[in-house]
Amino acid sequence: IAGITQAPTSQILAAGRRMTLRCTQDMRHNAMYWYRQDLGLGLRLIHYSNTAGTTGKGEVPDGYSVSRANTDDFPLTLASAVPSQTSVYFCASTKTSGDNTGELFFGEGSRLTVL
Amino acid sequence: GQNIDQPTEMTATEGAIVQINCTYQTSGFNGLFWYQQHAGEAPTFLSYNVLDGLEEKGRFSSFLSRSKGYSYLLLKELQMKDSASYLCAVMDSNYQLIWGAGTKLIIKP
Repeated sequence: IAGITQAPTSQILAAGRRMTLRCTQDMRHNAMYWYRQDLGLGLRLIHYSNTAGTTGKGEVPDGYSVSRANTDDFPLTLASAVPSQTSVYFCASTKTSGDNTGELFFGEGSRLTVL
Repeated sequence: GQNIDQPTEMTATEGAIVQINCTYQTSGFNGLFWYQQHAGEAPTFLSYNVLDGLEEKGRFSSFLSRSKGYSYLLLKELQMKDSASYLCAVMDSNYQLIWGAGTKLIIKP
């Protein structure tokens, strides 16, 4: 693993199904984030984690949950998928939260379609 | 509310110069970032400005005026590979990034 890895890269899902998007980083970054990207809109923060064991809600958290059991992994779960959750999801990390000089490192994205 | 504005799309010619503007209204300011995103790929970091002025990095430069809530990204000697979306983001007083919708840059030969 080099950097930040997401899985799956693409998924078609029936409405009402449960889905977990996986995210793993090997950079020992403390802060991790989940964004969704929709056409015509900026990246919107779903949930974040400043350090292992803590999580917080972003701008659009409804319908999503996260956990941060360790430094490396930050899965995003859709408990019961709805069509409005069709989007491209990006996981990102940075060395520390509030590191306003540091860049965000992004995974390659997970394209999710909910029918 | 917090707002980041940038043009939706721009077109430029290979070898030319293009300036992509970004204006922002945020709760506090802790820096402005530019990211490049090729179609179907993840965003990658280009530049960071926290003080007024111009930061130059090769063919790319980024300018900031905090009093005007304004930044631009300047791309020189455009190459076909520069065709991408360019995302402006501002870190607010809570150290959260607020993202613009991105500017799609089309380079023509």
